[in-house]
Amino acid sequence: NAGVTQTPKFQVLKTGQSMTLQCAQDMNHEYMSWYRQDPGMGLRLIHYSVGAGITDQGEVPNGYNVSRSTTEDFPLRLLSAAPSQTSVYFCASSYEAGGLFELFFGEGSRLTVL
Amino acid sequence: DAKTTQPPSMDCAEGRAANLPCNHSTISGNEYVYWYRQIHSQGPQYIIHGLKNNETNEMASLIITEDRKSSTLILPHATLRDTAVYYCIVRVVGFNKFYFGSGTKLNVKP
Repeated sequence: NAGVTQTPKFQVLKTGQSMTLQCAQDMNHEYMSWYRQDPGMGLRLIHYSVGAGITDQGEVPNGYNVSRSTTEDFPLRLLSAAPSQTSVYFCASSYEAGGLFELFFGEGSRLTVL
Repeated sequence: DAKTTQPPSMDCAEGRAANLPCNHSTISGNEYVYWYRQIHSQGPQYIIHGLKNNETNEMASLIITEDRKSSTLILPHATLRDTAVYYCIVRVVGFNKFYFGSGTKLNVKP
């Protein structure tokens, strides 16, 4: 049981380049989300999905696209990378049971945009 | 979702109880209180949650005031491995946006 797997773990981009951060989970969770964390800051929600074919914006969606074609995968696309997108990106999947809402996180993807 | 206020940092001696406060004065009746922590550069980890009753699990205890305007996370015997950022979050069941805020950096010292 791998949990939540993110790839790549590290990436360096030049301004204007595009790339996709991959996220896969094997827990059959309907809910998946992407966060970014800048140095010394808390996590900020970029996009989330409540099931295959359903996505919505979080706090900081500009510059990012997502899609959810399967329950397992939730890729995050940077359309035209900017230095302001230098950050650590975390993918999470979660389930809800009554009041319990437990997020399971990947190990993070550290992105540097030059 | 209601806003939460946490102190930016706290110190605790190893072996002593760590009491982390959280204010959520605008919490509504159907909002739960959740606590997560983030150790170093890992993804956050769920600790505990509650609605209005005090809760305890193998990791921590959660004390919610009677008016629900504040809560305290208690780590009964803090160890060096408990050094982390602790996030207090309030959320309505079924609300899909889960916001972390800034959290409290707990430093456990020998």
